[in-house]
Amino acid sequence: NAGVTQTPKFRVLKTGQSMTLLCAQDMNHEYMYWYRQDPGMGLRLIHYSVGEGTTAKGEVPDGYNVSRLKKQNFLLGLESAAPSQTSVYFCASSYMDGSNQPQHFGDGTRLSIL
Amino acid sequence: GENVEQHPSTLSVQEGDSAVIKCTYSDSASNYFPWYKQELGKRPQLIIDIRSNVGEKKDQRIAVTLNKTAKHFSLHITETQPEDSAVYFCAAHNYGQNFVFGPGTRLSVLP
Repeated sequence: NAGVTQTPKFRVLKTGQSMTLLCAQDMNHEYMYWYRQDPGMGLRLIHYSVGEGTTAKGEVPDGYNVSRLKKQNFLLGLESAAPSQTSVYFCASSYMDGSNQPQHFGDGTRLSIL
Repeated sequence: GENVEQHPSTLSVQEGDSAVIKCTYSDSASNYFPWYKQELGKRPQLIIDIRSNVGEKKDQRIAVTLNKTAKHFSLHITETQPEDSAVYFCAAHNYGQNFVFGPGTRLSVLP
C-alpha cells in the first residue's frame, strides 16, 4: 500500500515549456487535490476533484489544468510554464464516507521554472 | 469563505518545555480541524485532529483544544523533544467544502 505517489520528484523547466505532474493513490479515495506550497504561504489549493471525471477550481487555478480520467490518478498540467510557478507541488487525497476525513499527502514535486 | 489564521509564525522552546500554537477560523460552519506536521523537505503528515462535537483530544504528548464559541483551536505539545522541530499547519474543514490551511508555525526545540 503505497498511499499517494507523485512523479516526478524534481523538475527544471524553461519558461514556456509544458509538463504534466502525476498523482496516483491506491486507497480508493474519492477526493483528490493539488496544492502548491511557497515559503511563508502555507498550502494553497490549485484544483481538486470529488470523483472520477470531475474537476473544480481552487484558490489559485490560473495557469494550470487538471484531469481525472481514472479514480486513482489526478494529473496537473502546466501548458506554458512561468517563473511564478516555481514551487513545491503536493497532491493529496481523502476518503468521503459522509463524515470529515483527513487528507493524505504525497511526497511533493519540486518544480523550478527558469 | 473560510479564513484561517495561525500564531505564532515561529516558536522556539527549550527541550522539555511545552509549546502552544493557536489557530482561529472565520466560518462557524467548519466542524473538522486537523493538524499536520511537516519536516524539512517532507510531506505534511497528520498528527492529530478534532471534530466539533468534542472540546479536547489527547494523544500522548500532543493535545488539541477547540473553542467553538470563540472560533479558535490550539495545539499543545508537552515535554518537547528535538524531533518535534518542524513546521506545523492547522486546517479547518466543513463537510463538502475544501480544507483551508493556516500559514504554518515553525517550531524549533533547542537542546
